[in-house]
Amino acid sequence: EDQVTQSPEALRLQEGESSSLNCSYTVSGLRGLFWYRQDPGKGPEFLFTLYSAGEEKEKERLKATLTKKESFLHITAPKPEDSATYLCAVQAVYSNYKLTFGKGTLLTVNP
Amino acid sequence: ETGVTQSPTHLIKTRGQQVTLRCSSQSGHNTVSWYQQALGQGPQFIFQYYREEENGRGNFPPRFSGLQFPNYSSELNVNALELDDSALYLCASSLTGFDEQYFGPGTRLTVT
Repeated sequence: EDQVTQSPEALRLQEGESSSLNCSYTVSGLRGLFWYRQDPGKGPEFLFTLYSAGEEKEKERLKATLTKKESFLHITAPKPEDSATYLCAVQAVYSNYKLTFGKGTLLTVNP
Repeated sequence: ETGVTQSPTHLIKTRGQQVTLRCSSQSGHNTVSWYQQALGQGPQFIFQYYREEENGRGNFPPRFSGLQFPNYSSELNVNALELDDSALYLCASSLTGFDEQYFGPGTRLTVT
């Protein structure tokens, strides 16, 4: 069974203090790994898709990387508006498109 | 380009009742998936529809059922509601199913 574990569960940063979120996964044949951002009471907002180990993608202050066992979401010089829950999900080759999500990391950036 | 929309926004039902939630896919997307998100948890896959056929199902009982219409809008029906069905229900559409899924704002269902 596919499994996704995210750490830490919650992270508090000061504005400008860079850090990383971790997503460890177990899947029989990875088709893709997805990062989403979710604000309270809203649907997840798509950020990145990574398909193979060594791949990196960037968007503004966010950079996602992928290895064979985990993915990292690096946040450089965060701002208060980056506060949200960040969700990681995997899609297996055999999955019929199903996404398996972790529980997320709640990021709070204080001004 | 119109994003994924869902209705209603909020819903309160009594245990044992039935509910229908609606989703309109992003323009051009023919694949729709439904997820249940309990408080403090990640979304859990319920099922997916591709061109009006169920294409995959998660670990949810048969009282969770769905439909996809020719215009690619979709419904999620839940019969015999239980208290544990209280959650945020999310609809997501994608172009092929193999690429990124775009989520709607969700419907918050409360069962009392």
